[in-house]
Amino acid sequence: QSVLTQPPSASGTPGQRVTISCSGSSSNIGSHTVNWYQQLPGTAPKLLIHSHNQRPSGVPDRFSGSRSGTSASLAISGLQSEDEADYHCAAWDDSLNGVVFGGGTKLTVL
Amino acid sequence: EVQLLESRGGLVQPGGSLRLSCAASGFTFSSYAMNWVRQAAGKGLEWVSGISESGDTTHYADSVKGRFTISRDNSKNTVYLQMSSLRAEDTAIYYCAKDLVAGAAYWGQGTLVTVSS
Repeated sequence: QSVLTQPPSASGTPGQRVTISCSGSSSNIGSHTVNWYQQLPGTAPKLLIHSHNQRPSGVPDRFSGSRSGTSASLAISGLQSEDEADYHCAAWDDSLNGVVFGGGTKLTVL
Repeated sequence: EVQLLESRGGLVQPGGSLRLSCAASGFTFSSYAMNWVRQAAGKGLEWVSGISESGDTTHYADSVKGRFTISRDNSKNTVYLQMSSLRAEDTAIYYCAKDLVAGAAYWGQGTLVTVSS
């Protein structure tokens, strides 16, 4: 069982907006920044969002992140077929003295 | 261009040992904490271990504490994971990653470790 809680699946049709949640606690999301990773099938995770809502260069502005209290969210607008992937949230955890991940959310573009 | 290249994993018997290495290039290696993360087939990501920029601070997941040792050689731009007393549940793809929870995060391509008799 993962320390950060994500829904196991999400779906949407092309052009739609989809949101993926990541719920934690005061020892992780509540006091540290959140990174979001995109993992396409058979590949390594790639940084999508850092510091709650910052996009690395090259990441489309269709992807956005936010944090409220001990939860974070990833939003994908204008959904495209190439967005079909697993999405993972991550943060440092003071209680565990390590990095914690969500269980991952498999996004399906219908 | 940032590159992280993990050594080849392989098949190891239960109770056996294996050392993974990760060669870094394209960035100032000594300026970044490094981590190992693993992913069992069809499962999510599990952080395994991390080491500070200088190597003087290390952290481990409870699942590997006492069995795995992380180290780094800044003169060789390489981070290592020494794995011992391996169990079937250690079977996974092992990724080397830099800056895991910050803005310059980057992952290697991963290497498969299989623990089986």
